[in-house]
Amino acid sequence: ETGVTQTPRHLVMGMTNKKSLKCEQHLGHNAMYWYKQSAKKPLELMFVYNFKEQTENNSVPSRFSPECPNSSHLFLHLHTLQPEDSALYLCASSQIVGNQPQHFGDGTRLSIL
Amino acid sequence: GESVGLHLPTLSVQEGDNSIINCAYSNSASDYFIWYKQESGKGPQFIIDIRSNMDKRQGQRVTVLLNKTVKHLSLQIAATQPGDSAVYFCAENIGGKLIFGQGTELSVKP
Repeated sequence: ETGVTQTPRHLVMGMTNKKSLKCEQHLGHNAMYWYKQSAKKPLELMFVYNFKEQTENNSVPSRFSPECPNSSHLFLHLHTLQPEDSALYLCASSQIVGNQPQHFGDGTRLSIL
Repeated sequence: GESVGLHLPTLSVQEGDNSIINCAYSNSASDYFIWYKQESGKGPQFIIDIRSNMDKRQGQRVTVLLNKTVKHLSLQIAATQPGDSAVYFCAENIGGKLIFGQGTELSVKP
């Protein structure tokens, strides 16, 4: 148990579908992150939230839409995705943004048909 | 850390031996570094971190060494066990953002 829970663990969707990924952290942290992990590539930071405010959008296409209703929950809303969006999507949290270890969930494996 | 990945570097060690996993980082302004372990089907798991004002830090069976002169980071695992088989990532903190290397796959032979 890492204290960061992601659902669903696996998701298959068509390019015209709309779905959402959910992340919940039980660590009392104030910063939350979305990363994309593709095969044979380093983890790519997508979004950062600090105290519910988005502080980083790493040039992510608008078909990915994050939402952070409170410091414990983070969502990633997906619509009209492309096949190249198939990847493992990881959520992480840290006490604050900065020189702090980030703790990861086990990810959602997303496949776009 | 390394940016674009081609194939994942691999390290194969015998059970009981010590393992050394290396990482070159890119930015001399990086002030915080982390090592993660990722097992198949799981997310990255925090192992150990080190700040730039230190050269060495030890944990349980693990040691991280930082050489700022050549921008090099290493993770040493003592008495490697089969459960240590995983992909190991280094990450450097730049302006509050973690930049990850491509990872090294550690395989432990019984």
